[in-house]
Amino acid sequence: DAGITQSPRHKVTETGTPVTLRCHQTENHRYMYWYRQDPGHGLRLIHYSYGVKDTDKGEVSDGYSVSRSKTEDFLLTLESATSSQTSVYFCAISLAIYNEQFFGPGTRLTVL
Amino acid sequence: KQEVTQIPAALSVPEGENLVLNCSFTDSAIYNLQWFRQDPGKGLTSLLLIQSSQREQTSGRLNASLDKSSGRSTLYIAASQPGDSATYLCAAYYGGSQGNLIFGKGTKLSVKP
Repeated sequence: DAGITQSPRHKVTETGTPVTLRCHQTENHRYMYWYRQDPGHGLRLIHYSYGVKDTDKGEVSDGYSVSRSKTEDFLLTLESATSSQTSVYFCAISLAIYNEQFFGPGTRLTVL
Repeated sequence: KQEVTQIPAALSVPEGENLVLNCSFTDSAIYNLQWFRQDPGKGLTSLLLIQSSQREQTSGRLNASLDKSSGRSTLYIAASQPGDSATYLCAAYYGGSQGNLIFGKGTKLSVKP
């Protein structure tokens, strides 16, 4: 398995609080992605990174920000969590654009 | 709009049967197509990546094909086993700077002993 870890694995928080999810990889892959998975919608891209300090928006980026200060870490921040952000969040990595993507174990986030 | 569709949403087969999972996509200008399996409560496991220049890719009992002209990909599973029970997702890479995958909603496969 690709060396990808996500933390925390489960989190329950309240509306309006900030939340940061972490993705850590040991594969030295250039590209990193954050997806969310929701029933009826499947997986959708939130943000992605194509290098240290290089990030861009995906399909559902409103309410989320990201940062990547090191190759191995990609952080996803919900500035002020809302109930609509209750979801399962997956991090993925790929060596280059259009290469095979490998996924982390996911973080289940519940916003009350 | 770029879309990936998987039909049926669920499939149940007896153990030992050979089966085919279907994936269709809009816009033949895809780069690659990737198949995953997802077990309940788990992450996605990559099964196969088919490059746009390839017509098929094999790994063990799995064979994936790609027909860009018809907008279809199939995942063939030979001699199915109960351990193959999972949700199978296909995802297409379309052009653009993001390099993200557009996912289908998956086919939930149940292999009965």
